[in-house]
Amino acid sequence: DAGVIQSPRHEVTEMGQEVTLRCKPISGHDYLFWYRQTMMRGLELLIYFNNNVPIDDSGMPEDRFSAKMPNASFSTLKIQPSEPRDSAVYFCASSSNEGGTEAFFGQGTRLTVV
Amino acid sequence: AQKITQTQPGMFVQEKEAVTLDCTYDTSDPSYGLFWYKQPSSGEMIFLIYQGSYDQQNATEGRYSLNFQKARKSANLVISASQLGDSAMYFCARDQGAQKLVFGQGTRLTINP
Repeated sequence: DAGVIQSPRHEVTEMGQEVTLRCKPISGHDYLFWYRQTMMRGLELLIYFNNNVPIDDSGMPEDRFSAKMPNASFSTLKIQPSEPRDSAVYFCASSSNEGGTEAFFGQGTRLTVV
Repeated sequence: AQKITQTQPGMFVQEKEAVTLDCTYDTSDPSYGLFWYKQPSSGEMIFLIYQGSYDQQNATEGRYSLNFQKARKSANLVISASQLGDSAMYFCARDQGAQKLVFGQGTRLTINP
C-alpha cells in the first residue's frame, strides 16, 4: 500500500479564497483523522470519521472549516473563506479498528494564506 | 482537558549515547494507549512505538524502548546508541478513545557528531 496520500503538498492562496485539501487513506482503515500543526498550538485534532461518518468535529475551529468523506477512499477538508491565521500544516491520518494500532499519517499539506 | 506534557523543548546528545525523552500524561481512564512519533525536518510523522496501559512489559522496537511507569503516569522514550539520523522532533501522544490522539508539544532532539 502507498500509505496515506495527501494533495496538494503545498498550497499558497490569497485571503478570502476557498481551499480544498484532499486525502486518500490506507485501504481497509476504518478511521480517518484531520490534524492541524502550528507552532503556537502544536498538533491538534480537527475532525475524525469512522466508516465514512463524522464522529467528532469539536476541533474544527469555526464554520469556515468543513470536512467530508464521501467514500472509504477519499476525504476533503475545505476552508472557505481562508484567512492568514489558517496557515499551518494539515495532516490526514488513518487507522484500523483494532485497539492499540497506530495512526498512519500522510505527508501533510503546508497551507500558506497571504 | 487531558494533557500530555513533554518538559524538554530541546535536547542535545552526542552520537552513540543513549537519550531519554520525557513524557507525562493526565488520564482518569483505566485503559489507554501511549504512542511516540518522530517528525524529521522533512515534516512527515513516523510512528515509533506503542504502549498499552495493561501491557505487562515495557514496549521495545529496535533501538527504541518505552520506560512506562503507570503509577507516575509517565511514558519516557529511550533511544539507545543514538545516530545522526535521529535528529528530529519527537511527539508523545495518548489515545482519547476511538483511536483519536492528543499530542504533547514535542521535544527537538539534536544528535551531535
